[in-house]
Amino acid sequence: ETGVTQTPRHLVMGMTNKKSLKCEQHLGHNAMYWYKQSAKKPLELMFVYNFKEQTENNSVPSRFSPECPNSSHLFLHLHTLQPEDSALYLCASSPLATGELFFGEGSRLTVL
Amino acid sequence: AQRVTQPEKLLSVFKGAPVELKCNYSYSGSPELFWYVQYSRQRLQLLLRHISRESIKGFTADLNKGETSFHLKKPFAQEEDSAMYYCALSGSNFNKFYFGSGTKLNVKP
Repeated sequence: ETGVTQTPRHLVMGMTNKKSLKCEQHLGHNAMYWYKQSAKKPLELMFVYNFKEQTENNSVPSRFSPECPNSSHLFLHLHTLQPEDSALYLCASSPLATGELFFGEGSRLTVL
Repeated sequence: AQRVTQPEKLLSVFKGAPVELKCNYSYSGSPELFWYVQYSRQRLQLLLRHISRESIKGFTADLNKGETSFHLKKPFAQEEDSAMYYCALSGSNFNKFYFGSGTKLNVKP
């Protein structure tokens, strides 16, 4: 599949669970991003990875832990989340030079 | 601090009417500005970028540094333009992108 792929598309978890969101791109892009989209709020930048190195952590709580094993894959590990963390989590990639973000369809997370 | 403001949550116009979606920004450096669009059941995608100075699907946007605005305009709206529109900014290195809260455009027949 081309483009940016996110799995799972929907996730329901309890506050004590541990789960992970996965993002994959085979566009040859050098940068990958996690954004949080809550209802009626701007997209919130969470993490940025350039060439597998984390270059931005936008004051995200430690219960969110990103991992970028290679330039094509990005994970968001979730642990002891709160109900207010329920949101749509969007992954994006970018070739950097053009300034265009390519988004996945998102993972809809519900924390009970 | 960087901020992107889209004052209208919803904008409804009739087909064939002009449309303007407002975007104001604050940024300490020299920003690059973008408009992204999300059609129903599709992913968020780039519509146009300031640096390209292009017109996409009849939409244009002019960067006004004096007013710190980057409003999106189209002279004659079409029903297929109905979507969520997000204004975004980045620094010149395109490392981080900041988005507004979005404006839902509804074009009525």
